Formats: sequence, C-alpha cells, structure tokens
Amino acid sequence: AQKITQTQPGMFVQEKEAVTLDCTYDTSDPSYGLFWYKQPSSGEMIFLIYQGSYDQQNATEGRYSLNFQKARKSANLVISASQLGDSAMYFCAMREGDSNYQLIWGAGTKLIIKP
Amino acid sequence: DAGVIQSPRHEVTEMGQEVTLRCKPISGHDYLFWYRQTMMRGLELLIYFNNNVPIDDSGMPEDRFSAKMPNASFSTLKIQPSEPRDSAVYFCASSLWWGAKNIQYFGAGTRLSVL
Repeated sequence: AQKITQTQPGMFVQEKEAVTLDCTYDTSDPSYGLFWYKQPSSGEMIFLIYQGSYDQQNATEGRYSLNFQKARKSANLVISASQLGDSAMYFCAMREGDSNYQLIWGAGTKLIIKP
Repeated sequence: DAGVIQSPRHEVTEMGQEVTLRCKPISGHDYLFWYRQTMMRGLELLIYFNNNVPIDDSGMPEDRFSAKMPNASFSTLKIQPSEPRDSAVYFCASSLWWGAKNIQYFGAGTRLSVL
C-alpha cells in the first residue's frame, strides 16, 4: 500500500483563491513527521511546512497552513490568497519514527494558478 | 546564510564517461542526502551520511554509483561508467538532527543528460 497518497495529479485555481492540496498517509508508528515541499519549474525543492504527530496545533507558516486530521490520517496543505508564483509541483512527505531520517514521498500535485 | 550548493547545475555527457556531481551542505548540518528524481520513479533516496559516514546506501542503483563525503563541507556522487538511463535530476540535501523534525534542505539540483 502507498504510504503517502496525493490524489490530485493536477489543479487549476484562480489567483487570490485559497487552495487545498490533499495528502493522506499510512503508518502504524505513533511518532512521525509530515512535510510539504514546493518544486517550481526552475527545479529546486523548497521546504514549506512541517507537522509532527504529537503537535497539538496545526502548523502555519505565512500563507501556508496544514490541516492535520490525525484520525483520518490526512495532512492537507492550505495556501491562502494564491499568487501566480505559487504555480509549482507540491510534494507531501513523511518520516516514520524519531530516529529514521528517510522521507517517504508522495507523487506530487501540479498546481497552476490562473490570472 | 548560504543554502546547499550543488555543481554543476547541468551536465551533458556521453555514455561511458565518468560523471562527478558535487555538493556543499549547509554549514553545521550533520546529515547529507543524495536523491535522484525522474518522471517515472519520482524522488528516490540514493544514500545518506551522518557526520561524514555513509549510513544507508541501499538506494544506490548499481556499483557504477559511488558517493563520498571526505569532510563535513563536501560530498561527491560519482557515476562510472554513465549510461543513458542515468539521465535525471540529482539533488543533494542536508539537515541538522533535531529529533523527528529534522528538516531536509535541498540544493538546486544537477540535471544530468547522458547521450
């Protein structure tokens, strides 16, 4: 079974609208971390936001927030007031356990912001 | 602060040639990761180091691939001999141990084309 599932291969969103990118995960480890990265067309991988499994509150970083629903095993990325520069691939990733430093990656969602 | 620096950004070579990719991690980071990204397989972890010591190289595809980290500020990924199927974007990432959070910061990548 897939450990990280991103069900939206591509999305078109109007500029200034909010965007939700879906990510579901599968793990039996009670301690894990969830990450979102952005990859624009220029190719670099940019870290956006992190959520730990024991964090009580949903993570926020500027216009990015993480809608963490532990019981449903989902960690959706929310981008508020989208901008043209948000057009990129977005990857969800998970680390299982406290001492495992490998990330398990989703297939990504291609987001295109329309002017 | 300087991020992870990779060189070259682009490499075009002919089949059978030796290719060396270089990486300078963020100063003070104690983990270094080499990834390969292709359309077919997504992002794959090749090898990672902790304090300059290779910890897990199970992702290295063949003996043609080798990686070294002679000191804390430099790592190389070598392919010898190169083959067309090695064409991909190779990323280096570094992180500082901080429990489960351990955020990996990526370089801009090296786009390798083997003709």
